[in-house]
Amino acid sequence: KNEVEQSPQNLTAQEGEFITINCSYSVGISALHWLQQHPGGGIVSLFMLSSGKKKHGRLIATINIQEKHSSLHITASQLSDSASYICVVSKGTGKLIFGQGTTLQVKP
Amino acid sequence: GAVVSQHPSRVICKSGTSVKIECRSLDFQATTMFWYRQFPKQSLMLMATSNEGSKATYEQGVEKDKFLINHASLTLSTLTVTSAHPEDSSFYICSAEPRDFISPLHFGNGTRLTVT
Repeated sequence: KNEVEQSPQNLTAQEGEFITINCSYSVGISALHWLQQHPGGGIVSLFMLSSGKKKHGRLIATINIQEKHSSLHITASQLSDSASYICVVSKGTGKLIFGQGTTLQVKP
Repeated sequence: GAVVSQHPSRVICKSGTSVKIECRSLDFQATTMFWYRQFPKQSLMLMATSNEGSKATYEQGVEKDKFLINHASLTLSTLTVTSAHPEDSSFYICSAEPRDFISPLHFGNGTRLTVT
């Protein structure tokens, strides 16, 4: 079993829909990161969380430390949100563990 | 904001030659840099962890003599693919983690290596 599990692996949504991507982990962490990677490769760090909830525009990320679970929400999805979303946990020792990623396709 | 510069973005080389990829943290000191490889439609695969002033730590299955990593300063790490072969063709990405290990991650834009 992977130490970081993401679901779903693939997701198709209609433009305007509310989207949720989940990440569960089984190790102690100092922080959890959500990354976005568009086709073509560039990776952008969306959020870094150690507790609670963060919001940036239409994106919301939450984390429940007790349950070892985080969610990334996209409200009013747009075509430009089509990308891969990756959950990464930091163990605070320089060690990062990556989820397998969720590929999102938003259709008109 | 913090930026990591990776160079080159694309490189095509002949089989048997060596290729060097640079990763620089532009406005912060990165004690630790990471090198990843990504195959099409797959997530990032950590190759090695590069610590300033010491030898890199390689993940299982990654040949250290094949993928030479040098982290000579707090702002520069290099990955050299030695005697490249077509199977080394891939997308290589670096990231840098600031000293406190709890700040956001910063990624380079990646290097697309094609070995002919």
